[in-house]
Amino acid sequence: GAGVSQTPSNKVTEKGKYVELRCDPISGHTALYWYRQSLGQGPEFLIYFQGTGAADDSGLPNDRFFAVRPEGSVSTLKIQRTERGDSAVYLCASSFLGNTEAFFGQGTRLTVV
Amino acid sequence: QKEVEQNSGPLSVPEGAIASLNCTYSDRGSQSFFWYRQYSGKSPELIMSIYSNGDKEDGRFTAQLNKASQYVSLLIRDSQPSDSATYLCASQMDSSYKLIFGSGTRLLVRP
Repeated sequence: GAGVSQTPSNKVTEKGKYVELRCDPISGHTALYWYRQSLGQGPEFLIYFQGTGAADDSGLPNDRFFAVRPEGSVSTLKIQRTERGDSAVYLCASSFLGNTEAFFGQGTRLTVV
Repeated sequence: QKEVEQNSGPLSVPEGAIASLNCTYSDRGSQSFFWYRQYSGKSPELIMSIYSNGDKEDGRFTAQLNKASQYVSLLIRDSQPSDSATYLCASQMDSSYKLIFGSGTRLLVRP
């Protein structure tokens, strides 16, 4: 596609539920990043994929968060047992290589009620 | 101390003026730097990247990098009301490709 695509745009879920957020990167981009952004803050790093493998998952806040990229393209961020503190905008970005310019999708606004 | 620091603003400038946005970083291993623009309710949009000391110009935008002083700046010439947004500074190390963002500076351009 022309840009990074994220679905859904908005997700409202109840506390304790499981959610999946999807990211479709720019075609040909091997690097994929997940960030989350709270109001008034800059994006906070969660995880970085180079190809199919998670090269750096140091930003995942706890073991309720998990991400996969099984074929080196689409990625899914999975959050188990959601908590109200997980409410944020989850952003995905991709780049050709890990150390070049990264482009963001429109984000998924997650609200846990 | 945050790794990337920005003044939250708002920085208010009149239309046609030069807006100067600054950013400092703490990790001397940072090699690449990026400026993103973020409109309210939208995702960050890449506007400039800079990798070596000095100035880099692109249209009305000039990015400046001084690794010795650990600061990065963005100048916007002939500011327009449409430039009103939050500007995010990000650093990246070659050893770890994650981008570290500052909290952003809100810019208001008054007509």
